[in-house]
Amino acid sequence: SQQGEEDPQALSIQEGENATMNCSYKTSINNLQWYRQNSGRGLVHLILIRSNEREKHSGRLRVTLDTSKKSSSLLITASRAADTASYFCATDAPNNNDMRFGAGTRLTVKP
Amino acid sequence: DGGITQSPKYLFRKEGQNVTLSCEQNLNHDAMYWYRQDPGQGLRLIYYSQIVNDFQKGDIAEGYSVSREKKESFPLTVTSAQKNPTAFYLCASSGTATNEKLFFGSGTQLSVL
Repeated sequence: SQQGEEDPQALSIQEGENATMNCSYKTSINNLQWYRQNSGRGLVHLILIRSNEREKHSGRLRVTLDTSKKSSSLLITASRAADTASYFCATDAPNNNDMRFGAGTRLTVKP
Repeated sequence: DGGITQSPKYLFRKEGQNVTLSCEQNLNHDAMYWYRQDPGQGLRLIYYSQIVNDFQKGDIAEGYSVSREKKESFPLTVTSAQKNPTAFYLCASSGTATNEKLFFGSGTQLSVL
């Protein structure tokens, strides 16, 4: 079963604006990861945040994690047309050894 | 795509036919995974393997089979028992069995003739 659920399903913004995507999950986790997928391609890892971390930055990306609410958010600042892609969160579970993905947020950045 | 090669990129299956999707990695990773992605959907786990000669079923293993005879290879067979095989199949690997960063192949699009 899917562990993470992204929100919104689709997001359309203008270049230069910020994009925020959310992920909720159901069971406790060791870590949460965000991935990006361009149409018809494989997924590319963006960032990993561990259960004992609250915030992490990587370039224009900022990820937060609230384990009490079982939720995470991905913020892309100063978006570019090249950021157009689908974004997925993935979670594990302490006693599992596989990663589960949500349905993704489809981001469109208009030039 | 991070040292993982999937082939072929496109594959067509006739009714009643078994087909095998190849996944090879040169990253010396222990864990390998197969996911299925339907249009506009997320990824669903088919099978995963943490070590050579061992693998576990994921959420949608019915109609699929795998083997892990070598560390670098994790082929997926879509059997005739899988009645709705049309999908995009993604293979991934990670360095340990503790769910670190996944490296993905570029995918195989399987269609039914």
